[in-house]
Amino acid sequence: DQQVKQNSPSLSVQEGRISILNCDYTNSMFDYFLWYKKYPAEGPTFLISISSIKDKNEDGRFTVFLNKSAKHLSLHIVPSQPGDSAVYFCAASLGGATNKLIFGTGTLLAVQP
Amino acid sequence: ETGVTQSPTHLIKTRGQQVTLRCSSQSGHNTVSWYQQALGQGPQFIFQYYREEENGRGNFPPRFSGLQFPNYSSELNVNALELDDSALYLCASSLLNYEQYFGPGTRLTVT
Repeated sequence: DQQVKQNSPSLSVQEGRISILNCDYTNSMFDYFLWYKKYPAEGPTFLISISSIKDKNEDGRFTVFLNKSAKHLSLHIVPSQPGDSAVYFCAASLGGATNKLIFGTGTLLAVQP
Repeated sequence: ETGVTQSPTHLIKTRGQQVTLRCSSQSGHNTVSWYQQALGQGPQFIFQYYREEENGRGNFPPRFSGLQFPNYSSELNVNALELDDSALYLCASSLLNYEQYFGPGTRLTVT
């Protein structure tokens, strides 16, 4: 049962344009969502997070939007840079004592110069 | 500030053998979580240790076990290795209920 889904395996964007990565989830009890970026041969790097009580969080070029009614979140990168090319994972947490993360399958973003 | 480190980087084992993977947490963090990432998949939660006690476990069999030491470093042990255990094993450290920071992973190949 895939509780966190990233339906686009890959995305290609021109440098300077907006990249929009999408994520859907099924469990309405998730209380925290995170985005991680992963380069080959490295571990995932934390990018940005959002609590379920908010609908937007912004950090520099990165903005995450949460639509609880649609059980959907998205990561916007503006402007996109070639160094942003990586696999992006969406993750969700049920909170509580363990705070285990449930990950999607990832989206490979390629930013073309 | 030292980040999360893992050893070894790569490992090749034979089916039925046992393996121990190691993780040093980021300075100041008291929680370590382990994840398995199979090819083409997202990381899957194995278990978490908080102050040397197991603090939650994912859907993995008992042959996956772990330890956390007083300095908050951690080990993941896998007994009776199976071919499907071939994966990238990721360790993440954090303060409990805060963002998790990942190490570079250990690539395990079981032949």
